[in-house]
Amino acid sequence: EIVLTQSPGTLSLSPGERATLSCRASQSVSSSYLAWYQQKPGQAPRLLVYGASSRATGIPDRFSGSGSGADFTLTISRLEPEDFAVYYCLQYGNLYSFGQGTKLEIK
Amino acid sequence: QLQLQESGPGLVKPSETLSLTCTVSGGSISSSSYYWGWIRQPPGKGLEWIGSIYYSGSTYYNASLKSRLTISIDTSKNHFSLKLSSVTAADTAVYYCATDHSGSTPFDPWGQGTLVTVSS
Repeated sequence: EIVLTQSPGTLSLSPGERATLSCRASQSVSSSYLAWYQQKPGQAPRLLVYGASSRATGIPDRFSGSGSGADFTLTISRLEPEDFAVYYCLQYGNLYSFGQGTKLEIK
Repeated sequence: QLQLQESGPGLVKPSETLSLTCTVSGGSISSSSYYWGWIRQPPGKGLEWIGSIYYSGSTYYNASLKSRLTISIDTSKNHFSLKLSSVTAADTAVYYCATDHSGSTPFDPWGQGTLVTVSS
């Protein structure tokens, strides 16, 4: 089983700032099968990025994913008020496993 | 555009079996392009993949749940189902179904989720 560790657990930033979220895998993720999701209270998760760096349909270009092997990053270039939420990474190269989440909160 | 909807009892007694169904609309569950999955989220906690099924009936289970888990598919009704036996309070969660577009996008879209509480 591939274990994903996300950091930080909580990130406190202001609108307009840049957010950098990390996801580290216990072993290499095959074919960069790494995705990022955003979840707001009471809602199902929303796919943001798949294949480590491809934005899903309708996702603004302020969201970008990068990385390979066992280290991946989600960057939000300029935070909008609606971006404050919980973010999860998912690996889907060897069955599936989620990271524990990063809460992005308003400072 | 695919849409998924979970259904089933919201309350299950300890030691009994939790049963949920996910109905798919806007596309065929028999398509070779998709895997169909279940994910759960205990209140205030993170996401946990439960298991997935292919249209052929091939199943893939989370090892931690495998001994209690059965996922099945009914192509005539365009739905797939989850059965989790011998439940405890630790199985209380929002249960989501979602689709994985094989070779492309993982879990997208998702159902709205359904809360299942295990309590006597």
